[in-house]
Amino acid sequence: QLQLQESGPGLVKPSETLSLTCTVSGGSISRSNYYWGWIRQPPGKGLEWIGSVFDSGTTYYNPSLKSRVTISADTSKNQFSLKLNSVIATDTAIYYCARHVRILAYWGQGTLVTVSS
Amino acid sequence: DIQLTQSPSSVSASVGDRVTITCRASQDISRWLAWYQQKPGKAPNLLIFAASTLQSGVPSRFSGSGSGTDFTLTITGLQPEDFATYYCQQGNSFPFMYTFGQGTKLEIK
Repeated sequence: QLQLQESGPGLVKPSETLSLTCTVSGGSISRSNYYWGWIRQPPGKGLEWIGSVFDSGTTYYNPSLKSRVTISADTSKNQFSLKLNSVIATDTAIYYCARHVRILAYWGQGTLVTVSS
Repeated sequence: DIQLTQSPSSVSASVGDRVTITCRASQDISRWLAWYQQKPGKAPNLLIFAASTLQSGVPSRFSGSGSGTDFTLTITGLQPEDFATYYCQQGNSFPFMYTFGQGTKLEIK
């Protein structure tokens, strides 16, 4: 049974970097033919795809966030990570990791990250 | 970019009712549309993919239809556990972009 679990600080100061890790169990992220992505949801609002990594290296980013986002994979730990720099209050959201191709079939439970001083 | 517009934004219904939610794409996305159900405090759960294919384990009271730009999610015989928020998502721009509709909140009347 594939499981994804997000981890990282729940509070980040404005202008700093948000860093999250998704640990995958029950399946390998390498040579899997799947994409491993991040999606966020501001409190009470809708879903926004942030970006994804494929085959441990190729990345795809939402153009609206591309200048601030880095997604990478660590196959030795079966994890992939999100870094969002220069955060502001509107980056406050629940951040989900997911396994996907065209559809997002497996999601982590999500982690709330608040941007505040 | 492809935009998805869901309607209605919210709907009230009773147990046993039939409810239809629509999702309109700003351009042709073939059948690359999925529907998700999200309950408070939980991650979205995939219901339907490829416009009309039911995900394994999803009750048959859920159905999807459509192609091109117009899609519908129908729930026939609402159950108490169906009251949630529903999102559509397009996979036509894969792997360069994924977009979601703004959501439809299904509430108990």
